[in-house]
Amino acid sequence: DIQLTQSPSFLSASVGDRVTITCRASQGISSYLAWYQQKPGKAPKLLIYGATTLQSGVPSRLSGSGSGTEFTLTISSLQPEDFATYYCQQLDRYPYTFGQGTKLEIK
Amino acid sequence: EVQLVQSGAEVKKPGESLKISCQGSGYSFSDYWIGWVRQMPGKGLEWLGILYPGDSNTRYSPSLQGQVTISADKPISTAYLQWSSLKASDTAMYYCARVGSKFGYFYFDYWGQGTLVTVSS
Repeated sequence: DIQLTQSPSFLSASVGDRVTITCRASQGISSYLAWYQQKPGKAPKLLIYGATTLQSGVPSRLSGSGSGTEFTLTISSLQPEDFATYYCQQLDRYPYTFGQGTKLEIK
Repeated sequence: EVQLVQSGAEVKKPGESLKISCQGSGYSFSDYWIGWVRQMPGKGLEWLGILYPGDSNTRYSPSLQGQVTISADKPISTAYLQWSSLKASDTAMYYCARVGSKFGYFYFDYWGQGTLVTVSS
């Protein structure tokens, strides 16, 4: 299985901050990576696919970059609604594994 | 509007069987892979497997293979996740999600609301 390691696992930040979450794959996955946001008690929501393409309706303050084994999700200016848990997922090879998650909390 | 509606919460005893459902609407159910994701209490997301309703092609996570069965009933646009003998460790929230694709990339674009399964004696 391809392992995805997210860092950090926990992140404390303030409204207006710029934050970056990293996802590292145990082997190359080209750009077959998606990012999701999950809020407590809710289903995950797709943010980015193909490592860099923003899903329709997702604010442009979010962006994704990377290919191969290292990927990042950046939020340029945190808004109150961005405090949530974020997951990366590889869709290159079965099983389509997820990272362990990054919980973004208000400082 | 694409929607995935899952069956309601279940409370079962160890050793019992269970089948939970996920009904799709607003799109051609047969033409999109549909997957299942587990989230144990306080934990992250775990990919269980996916199925293509058009031909019932199914792929499972090696760690779960043999423990769950994924199936679908095309005429009623419904996917299923079932267990023949539940364990306490199956206690979790289970989500179904549609696999979308664009530019050759795949992703889970629509999700069900989740089905909470509690297994306790």
